[in-house]
Amino acid sequence: GDSVTQMEGPVTLSEEAFLTINCTYTATGYPSLFWYVQYPGEGLQLLLKATKADDKGSNKGFEATYRKETTSFHLEKGSVQVSDSAVYFCALSQGGSEKLVFGKGTKLTVNP
Amino acid sequence: DTGVSQNPRHKITKRGQNVTFRCDPISEHNRLYWYRQTLGQGPEFLTYFQNEAQLEKSRLLSDRFSAERPKGSFSTLEIQRTEQGDSAMYLCASTLMGAQETQYFGPGTRLLVL
Repeated sequence: GDSVTQMEGPVTLSEEAFLTINCTYTATGYPSLFWYVQYPGEGLQLLLKATKADDKGSNKGFEATYRKETTSFHLEKGSVQVSDSAVYFCALSQGGSEKLVFGKGTKLTVNP
Repeated sequence: DTGVSQNPRHKITKRGQNVTFRCDPISEHNRLYWYRQTLGQGPEFLTYFQNEAQLEKSRLLSDRFSAERPKGSFSTLEIQRTEQGDSAMYLCASTLMGAQETQYFGPGTRLLVL
């Protein structure tokens, strides 16, 4: 079945550091790809998405590019802030039910 | 748009008891999903509804679990004869049917089975 593998955490960075969280997927067909974020004490929120190969999703300074050749959707941000501290989940969905298949999540802590 | 709401937010129960959770989706969203999230893991799909029809159930959903969406609006998830392994966060999400539509998540119901 479909699956998502993302970088093990936790990840600890200093403010203004560069962030990369790796995500690769296994799927039949052509899934849509998502990054969701869960801030402490809050529910899951969509951060960005891409629906076809070579699409770039972006939001709040975060970016990820749908790479079909490497089956990857790595999350990047050029300069992280303390407020970016959260758990980040990579996910995919496919047509029909469009249920989401999530990775295990990566906890990011940004220190001042 | 008030977002997806779930009640209760927390539930503590004893093994063997029945529990029921409620999800109120964003109005006019015709799809509603249930997921389960255990500590240190990503959410896992349980089941989903399109309007009032339950269209898919995961193998994770044993026969002790039942979900309904009687009028195509709110949904309930019932767990009968709870077990300690049922302890988890139960998440609800809703969306408008269509390609690549965003799923909006509720805050979840955290269940602890003693």
